[in-house]
Amino acid sequence: NAGVTQTPKFQVLKTGQSMTLQCAQDMNHEYMSWYRQDPGMGLRLIHYSVGAGITDQGEVPNGYNVSRSTTEDFPLRLLSAAPSQTSVYFCASSYGTGRGNYGYTFGSGTRLTVV
Amino acid sequence: SQQGEEDPQALSIQEGENATMNCSYKTSINNLQWYRQNSGRGLVHLILIRSNEREKHSGRLRVTLDTSKKSSSLLITASRAADTASYFCATGSFTGANSKLTFGKGITLSVRP
Repeated sequence: NAGVTQTPKFQVLKTGQSMTLQCAQDMNHEYMSWYRQDPGMGLRLIHYSVGAGITDQGEVPNGYNVSRSTTEDFPLRLLSAAPSQTSVYFCASSYGTGRGNYGYTFGSGTRLTVV
Repeated sequence: SQQGEEDPQALSIQEGENATMNCSYKTSINNLQWYRQNSGRGLVHLILIRSNEREKHSGRLRVTLDTSKKSSSLLITASRAADTASYFCATGSFTGANSKLTFGKGITLSVRP
């Protein structure tokens, strides 16, 4: 049981490049989400999904796309990287659709630097 | 926008002492959760308290929730050096079909051996 697996752990991008951050969970969680963590800002929600085929925007969705074709995977796409997207990205999942009283399981994060 | 605001921002205590961290929030919630993050790692769920609960215990952790004051506290008893980490409160809100877990900025706890 691996929990939530994020790849890559580190990435450096040039401004304007695109890339996909991968997130996979093996707990059969319906709810998955992406957060970014910046110094002094806490964690901010980018996108979330309550099940395969269903996604919605969070607090800071601009510049990011998501899709959920399977229960296990929830990739985050950066369309055209900007220095403001330099951050640590966390994927998290939860039992149910997120409307229950369950804690979240977090991945170990992807540290992204855009130069 | 941050829902939870933790207090203090930083706390330094001696091993064996108790650590108390506070969290205040602004809007109605369904639950409040506390997470721990060790340096360079992901967040780990510690404890969840529902909006209709007032106190909850888990090992050395005690969480209280006062919905009338929109505040919560996390008490770590008999602290250890291994408790050194950042602690985040997060509020869970369900609105229509949406569900969100909103985090505060975190408290840095240092436990001196």
